Amino acid sequence: DSGVTQTPKHLITATGQRVTLRCSPRSGDLSVYWYQQSLDQGLQFLIQYYNGEERAKGNILERFSAQQFPDLHSELNLSSLELGDSALYFCASSFFGHTGELFFGEGSRLTVL
Amino acid sequence: KNEVEQSPQNLTAQEGEFITINCSYSVGISALHWLQQHPGGGIVSLFMLSSGKKKHGRLIATINIQEKHSSLHITASHPRDSAVYICAVLGSGNTPLVFGKGTRLSVIA
Repeated sequence: DSGVTQTPKHLITATGQRVTLRCSPRSGDLSVYWYQQSLDQGLQFLIQYYNGEERAKGNILERFSAQQFPDLHSELNLSSLELGDSALYFCASSFFGHTGELFFGEGSRLTVL
Repeated sequence: KNEVEQSPQNLTAQEGEFITINCSYSVGISALHWLQQHPGGGIVSLFMLSSGKKKHGRLIATINIQEKHSSLHITASHPRDSAVYICAVLGSGNTPLVFGKGTRLSVIA
C-alpha cells in the first residue's frame, strides 16, 4: 500500500460528459502529480501541485483542469470527454518534487463510450 | 526535448536468469526513476538515481551520467517479477518527468 488513495477506481461515461477524479496523497507529502496512461501514448505527465499551488504543467488539454485543496488532496476534472480520453489516470505524491521517491495510487480507469 | 528509449521492448526469461533492461536518454538529467507496473495496472517506484548504483534485494540499478544510460538488473529472476518496467527521467530545472515506453518482462517457471 503506497498510502496514496485514488477514487473512483473505474468510471464509465459517455462522450461530452464531465468527470472528477480524486486523489489523497500520502500523509506528509506536499507534491501531487497527475499522469495519463493510454495504450498508444504510454505514461504522460499532466500537472503537478505543490502545497496548493500549480508547480509544473505537461501535456494537459484545456478541457482538463486540476486543483489541490488546503488539506492537500487533489482533483482532476475532465470535461467535454472524447473517446480518446479513455485511459488510466494515475496520481502520485512525494514530499519534495520529482527528485524524491514517488508514491503512486492504483489509478482511475476511465472509459468513454 | 528529452527522448527516453528503453530496450528491449519485450523480454521473456526462464526462472533464475539474470535480466538486464536498458534505458538511454538524450539530454542531461537531474534524476532517473525506475518504475514497475504490474498486470493489474498499479505502479511501484523501484529506484530514484542521480548517480552511481543502488541495490534493493534482487534488484540493482545503475546510471552512467556521461553516457546518458541506465540499467536495471534483476538477479535470480522469478515469475513474480513479471511486469512492465518503466524508466522515467527528470531534466534540469522544473521540467516534468519524461517516460520511456516500458519493457514488458515475462519470467517463466
